[in-house]
Amino acid sequence: DQQVKQNSPSLSVQEGRISILNCDYTNSMFDYFLWYKKYPAEGPTFLISISSIKDKNEDGRFTVFLNKSAKHLSLHIVPSQPGDSAVYFCAASWANNLFFGTGTRLTVIP
Amino acid sequence: EAQVTQNPRYLITVTGKKLTVTCSQNMNHEYMSWYRQDPGLGLRQIYYSMNVEVTDKGDVPEGYKVSRKEKRNFPLILESPSPNQTSLYFCASSLTQGGSDGYTFGSGTRLTVV
Repeated sequence: DQQVKQNSPSLSVQEGRISILNCDYTNSMFDYFLWYKKYPAEGPTFLISISSIKDKNEDGRFTVFLNKSAKHLSLHIVPSQPGDSAVYFCAASWANNLFFGTGTRLTVIP
Repeated sequence: EAQVTQNPRYLITVTGKKLTVTCSQNMNHEYMSWYRQDPGLGLRQIYYSMNVEVTDKGDVPEGYKVSRKEKRNFPLILESPSPNQTSLYFCASSLTQGGSDGYTFGSGTRLTVV
């Protein structure tokens, strides 16, 4: 049973606009949430994380929002750039395990 | 350069022929882990290790073995590979358990079992 879900397999956004990637989870024991970016033929690269006791974390163009009551997190990329085109994985941490979603393919159109 | 190195990058093998995928990290991380990535399923944890000689099962350990004799190395062993183990494999390491500081992943090993 998938504990971390990314329901949108793909997203297309115009360059310069905001990209919003969404993630839902079921396990209230998760203590950290992370976003990874993956290019073809490479391993996932860590982007940004958020502790379960916070509701927002920002790093440059990337902001992660956590809504614990809704068991939902989102990654905002502003402004989106063509180099952001990749697959984005949401992940959640608990008990020595990192549980991943199935990924969302973001395409930023120049 | 801080990195996780996996070898080989690509491997085609036959059912039942034992193989080992090597993984090495140069960051002195205590925590290491193996994942497999399959279409529609994301990345699933196979095994993890919290330190030398300390390993435990992840979500999908069946058909795999690991060992952690040195801090930097964490090989994945398939004693008798089967076609359902055809997948993309990633090794990862982290300073902390659970990877709250962000895992560093290797570039992946694409394994095909025929």
